Amino acid sequence: NAGVTQTPKFQVLKTGQSMTLQCAQDMNHEYMSWYRQDPGMGLRLIHYSVGAGITDQGEVPNGYNVSRSTTEDFPLRLLSAAPSQTSVYFCASRGTGGGYTFGSGTRLTVV
Amino acid sequence: GENVEQHPSTLSVQEGDSAVIKCTYSDSASNYFPWYKQELGKGPQLIIDIRSNVGEKKDQRIAVTLNKTAKHFSLHITETQPEDSAVYFCAPPPTAGGTSYGKLTFGQGTILTVHP
Repeated sequence: NAGVTQTPKFQVLKTGQSMTLQCAQDMNHEYMSWYRQDPGMGLRLIHYSVGAGITDQGEVPNGYNVSRSTTEDFPLRLLSAAPSQTSVYFCASRGTGGGYTFGSGTRLTVV
Repeated sequence: GENVEQHPSTLSVQEGDSAVIKCTYSDSASNYFPWYKQELGKGPQLIIDIRSNVGEKKDQRIAVTLNKTAKHFSLHITETQPEDSAVYFCAPPPTAGGTSYGKLTFGQGTILTVHP
């Protein structure tokens, strides 16, 4: 039982590049979310999903896209990376009536 | 969830002392109350939770108490140790319908520092 797996753990991008952060969970959880956390800050919700095929925007969705084609996977796409997107990204999932399980994070630097 | 306030924002204690962090919420329909701990460089981890039909739950040195009338729940850490130093978040999930069930937002958290 791996929980929530995020890849890559570290990434450096040049401004304007695109990339996909991967997130997979093996707990059959309905809800999945992406958060970003800047130094000394709390967690800000980017996008979330309540099931396969259903996604919605969080607090800071601009510059990011998501899709949920399967229950297990919830990738986050950066369309055109900007220095302001330098952050630590966490993926999380939960089942009905439970708490969130977080991945170990992806540390992204945009130069 | 929405309209959640956590106090204090920072807490400094001596090793062995107790620490209490309080979370106030506004959604009367909330029925699940978790606490998360985030250590430096790691993702948040669920450490204890309570449901609305219970007033208190303990797990070794940590406990959570719930006051549904006043709409707040608290995290209690006794005999604090340096390894308890972390950021703690309360985040009761939303109860509104539709996709709002998944829209969980976190507050800034409480930075707990335990001095040896």
